[in-house]
Amino acid sequence: EPEVTQTPSHQVTQMGQEVILRCVPISNHLYFYWYRQILGQKVEFLVSFYNNEISEKSEIFDDQFSVERPDGSNFTLKIRSTKLEDSAMYFCASSPPRLAGTPPEQYFGPGTRLTVT
Amino acid sequence: EDKVVQSPLSLVVHEGDTVTLNCSYEVTNFRSLLWYKQEKKAPTFLFMLTSSGIEKKSGRLSSILDKKELFSILNITATQTGDSAIYLCAVIIQGAQKLVFGQGTRLTINP
Repeated sequence: EPEVTQTPSHQVTQMGQEVILRCVPISNHLYFYWYRQILGQKVEFLVSFYNNEISEKSEIFDDQFSVERPDGSNFTLKIRSTKLEDSAMYFCASSPPRLAGTPPEQYFGPGTRLTVT
Repeated sequence: EDKVVQSPLSLVVHEGDTVTLNCSYEVTNFRSLLWYKQEKKAPTFLFMLTSSGIEKKSGRLSSILDKKELFSILNITATQTGDSAIYLCAVIIQGAQKLVFGQGTRLTINP
């Protein structure tokens, strides 16, 4: 069964460094998302991406964050200058093409645990 | 502010028991509610519910939505140790793509 994959599984970085988290969504999916989960807290939406542009973003997704789909398969989240509070599990998700009037279910990857020291 | 609340936060039962997990929501312009199972890492999609009163079923798991009372339940019958996980409820709002998650219910099934 097709799955969303993410690399690396764990990333440790120093405060102020840039990190790129990588995701390979399910191949026929058209909608892509990033969420994060700080330890012990709820899963929070960061951004959604469709047709090569951001379609929705949360207030968490400020100027230090960016997303890109550099080729036909990868979807990346870049954090430009990491802060201690960026430490979290980052989940990528993707959705299939929508049937009329039906919201697509979102399928999640295994996550990248980001630790900022 | 859109809010999704799950209860209980934690539940410990014996193998073979039946459990009911609750999810209530207060959101503007509800569209759908989703249930996920989160074991070690990735939340795994279980159900999406859009209409009231229609039960969705998959094996020993079933779920139903009540749009009048703004809640959903997830039932698991004849529980097994492999059902131990965090169960997440999330809501999609009309016109939005993001999922708004509850805090999850940690279910532990003891042999």
